[in-house]
Amino acid sequence: AQSVTQPDIHITVSEGASLELRCNYSYGATPYLFWYVQSPGQGLQLLLKYFSGDTLVQGIKGFEAEFKRSQSSFNLRKPSVHWSDAAEYFCAVVHGGNAGKSTFGDGTTLTVKP
Amino acid sequence: NAGVTQTPKFQVLKTGQSMTLQCAQDMNHNSMYWYRQDPGMGLRLIYYSASEGTTDKGEVPNGYNVSRLNKREFSLRLESAAPSQTSVYFCASSYDRSYEQYFGPGTRLTVT
Repeated sequence: AQSVTQPDIHITVSEGASLELRCNYSYGATPYLFWYVQSPGQGLQLLLKYFSGDTLVQGIKGFEAEFKRSQSSFNLRKPSVHWSDAAEYFCAVVHGGNAGKSTFGDGTTLTVKP
Repeated sequence: NAGVTQTPKFQVLKTGQSMTLQCAQDMNHNSMYWYRQDPGMGLRLIYYSASEGTTDKGEVPNGYNVSRLNKREFSLRLESAAPSQTSVYFCASSYDRSYEQYFGPGTRLTVT
């Protein structure tokens, strides 16, 4: 069965520091991978996605993620965190087929210290 | 272009009452989804619809029914609400092949 693991439930970083959020997946075929962000009281917004090609993908708000097939990972990074990045972050893998049904990780909550 | 809209935003029900959560999208997407979000559990898929006229069960379908009324609208019905259905419900939609999903703002449901 497909699964997504986000090992860190909660991460705290100082403003201006770098950030890496971890995501590991279990999926039999070539995965379609996503990172979404959810601000308090809001729906989810797509940050970036990986389908194929270059394993380093750029997203919105200065985020990037690297797909590593050998490690079954798709970690999210940002070189310098801003206070507005405080939110919950979800990694997701798509099962494929016409519906594009996704499995989401349990999320990582990011707190940014001033 | 409103994207994905959901009504209502908040709802309180008593155990045993019924209600329908409405969802509509104006992006001409084929696929639509209903999720529930509970603390520490991420998003769990309740039902999805790959195209107009089709629906399929997701991970947690018990206690729910859905209707894909047309291409734009996908409703979620609770026939007899239970406290375990207290949650935040999100509707989402996507194109067939790009697979990125667009989410509505959510409905916060409390069942007492």
